[in-house]
Amino acid sequence: EVQLLESGGALVQPGGSLRLSCAASGFTFIYSAMSWVRQAPGKGLEWVSGIDNTGDRTYYADSVKGRFTISRDNSENTLYLQMSNLRDEDTAVYYCAKLRSGVVVAATNYWGQGTLVTVSS
Amino acid sequence: DIQMTQSPSSLSASVGDRVTITCRASQGISNYLAWYHQKPGKVPKLLIYAASTLQSGVPSRFSGSGSGTDFTLTISSLQPEDVATYYCQKYNSAPLTFGGGTKVEIK
Repeated sequence: EVQLLESGGALVQPGGSLRLSCAASGFTFIYSAMSWVRQAPGKGLEWVSGIDNTGDRTYYADSVKGRFTISRDNSENTLYLQMSNLRDEDTAVYYCAKLRSGVVVAATNYWGQGTLVTVSS
Repeated sequence: DIQMTQSPSSLSASVGDRVTITCRASQGISNYLAWYHQKPGKVPKLLIYAASTLQSGVPSRFSGSGSGTDFTLTISSLQPEDVATYYCQKYNSAPLTFGGGTKVEIK
């Protein structure tokens, strides 16, 4: 059974930093591209970032480019999202997502339960 | 960047009705289009990928069609458990943009 367990969400002040983690199990992690998708309270889904199966290629939404960094540790089956210079509008539930392929140009077939990031003073 | 526009933003239909949701891309994306639904309080779930391929385990009343810029998700006979918000997503290239969502309710 595929499991994606996010952690690291917290209340943080504007301008602060946070690192999210996603522990993956139940599938061969090194074969799958991964992404982060967020959902602000009461709003729709927003794709944030993606990484291919090797970690060589990374992609970002314009709204987070230069502030967020996606990475993965294939030896630990873990996905990360380093977030810095956080803004109020980054407040959202952040979902870890497994893609159907080793490349980012693929649909998402599994989602974690999400971790809440709240940016507020 | 390519924009994804869904319509309608919400709809109300009766059990057993045929429901159609559309998704339009601002530029052609071939068939790199997925549909998800998100039930209240739950995480999203993949319904269809490659515009028309049903994900394993998804009921056959769901179907997708389209290519290029115009896509459709159809529920052939709406069931109470289909109450959810439906999203399209393009994945031909980053950013993997979602549509704004369509909220489906039972009349």
